[in-house]
Amino acid sequence: QVQLQESGPGLVKPSETLSLTCTVSGGSINNYFWSWIRQPPGKGLEWIGYIYSSGSTNYNPSLKSRVTMSVDTSKNQFSLKLNSVTAADTAVYYCARYLMINGLAYGFDYWGQGTLVTVSS
Amino acid sequence: QSALTQPASVSGSPGQSITISCTGTSSDVGASNYVSWYQQHPDKAPKLLIYDVTNRPSGVSNRFSGSKSANTASLTISGLQAEDEADYYCNSYGSGSTWVFGGGTKLTVL
Repeated sequence: QVQLQESGPGLVKPSETLSLTCTVSGGSINNYFWSWIRQPPGKGLEWIGYIYSSGSTNYNPSLKSRVTMSVDTSKNQFSLKLNSVTAADTAVYYCARYLMINGLAYGFDYWGQGTLVTVSS
Repeated sequence: QSALTQPASVSGSPGQSITISCTGTSSDVGASNYVSWYQQHPDKAPKLLIYDVTNRPSGVSNRFSGSKSANTASLTISGLQAEDEADYYCNSYGSGSTWVFGGGTKLTVL
């Protein structure tokens, strides 16, 4: 059974960089799209971006200037960095897996439990 | 990239059927069959219900079904049960190889 686990600081100061890592267990990180998705308290889901196992990335245009994602296939991990954070970046951050192959898209089928990151001084 | 449009809330009685709409544009919902639906209970991670507009993952009840017409996708839940009370989100692959979520719909089982 594939499992995803987010890790990183739960409190980040304004203007600093939010850094999170997602560890994938029970399956390979190869040949999947790995996304970060966030949810501000009481609000809806927002897709932040993805990194493919090869290292190619694509980000939400609204966050593109502040986001960097990376992957370490040897550790079955991928990471998110979001710089110049403000209170508006306070949210539960989820990592999730997406499979697209042969013209079919199988959705975000596995999710981490989510980690709350609060931006505050 | 604008969020897909969903009704903020819907409600129904046990045993009834409800439908949640998800309206996008010709650049996302209308452009492909890469539409999926998610159920989220309070303080839980979202759960995949439907992928590729109409397909259910293994283990998801056949009371959940999806459809699409032009720029609008829909999720229908038949035989409503108390456990269906949750938030529901649609998602679509869109222009520029990005994904976009709907704003979410809160389902209340009366």
